[in-house]
Amino acid sequence: QKEVEQNSGPLSVPEGAIASLNCTYSDRVSQSFFWYRQYSGKSPELIMSIYSNGDKEDGRFTAQLNKASQYVSLLIRDSQPSDSATYLCAVTISGGYNKLIFGAGTRLAVHP
Amino acid sequence: DAGVTQSPTHLIKTRGQQVTLRCSPKSGHDTVSWYQQALGQGPQFIFQYYEEEERQRGNFPDRFSGHQFPNYSSELNVNALLLGDSALYLCASSWDRGTDTQYFGPGTRLTVL
Repeated sequence: QKEVEQNSGPLSVPEGAIASLNCTYSDRVSQSFFWYRQYSGKSPELIMSIYSNGDKEDGRFTAQLNKASQYVSLLIRDSQPSDSATYLCAVTISGGYNKLIFGAGTRLAVHP
Repeated sequence: DAGVTQSPTHLIKTRGQQVTLRCSPKSGHDTVSWYQQALGQGPQFIFQYYEEEERQRGNFPDRFSGHQFPNYSSELNVNALLLGDSALYLCASSWDRGTDTQYFGPGTRLTVL
């Protein structure tokens, strides 16, 4: 079983819709959770970090964490074509010197 | 405030050669981590440097080595290049006493022929 799993997609949503991206992780001592956005040919860009159970909102983005279910998600409201990218979920392990463990990413396509 | 910088942007090498990639962390950061990202995959952790020492290492062979300088900048060296080493090499910086958030540089695209 992979440590961090994501649906590879592509996830296709119409402009203005809500995009929902999901991520599961296997290590129960995972302590921090991150969503990065990566445009084709570019490096990952941090969107959100979340450390405790519940929701965290930042503009059009909401991260949701459920440690009991080992599940973290990212919602993008009012999706725009510029949101089309690969979204990478990453976790760090307690005592792991903040080594990031990434999923393979979900490709999101927002069509006009 | 300068972000993370990496050089060179692109590099083409042949099998068996050696390569050195460079990274300067974000201002105020003291920890540098290196990742390898193959096409269609998520980044894979290579190693992390703090206080000029390798603090943690991922599942990469000894052909991959690194260094951190007193100004916190870092180098990644890869010896005896293989075709499978072709990838995007990413440097990420963070502050050891802060949160564990890491910020990535633009990456170096290495192609091994």
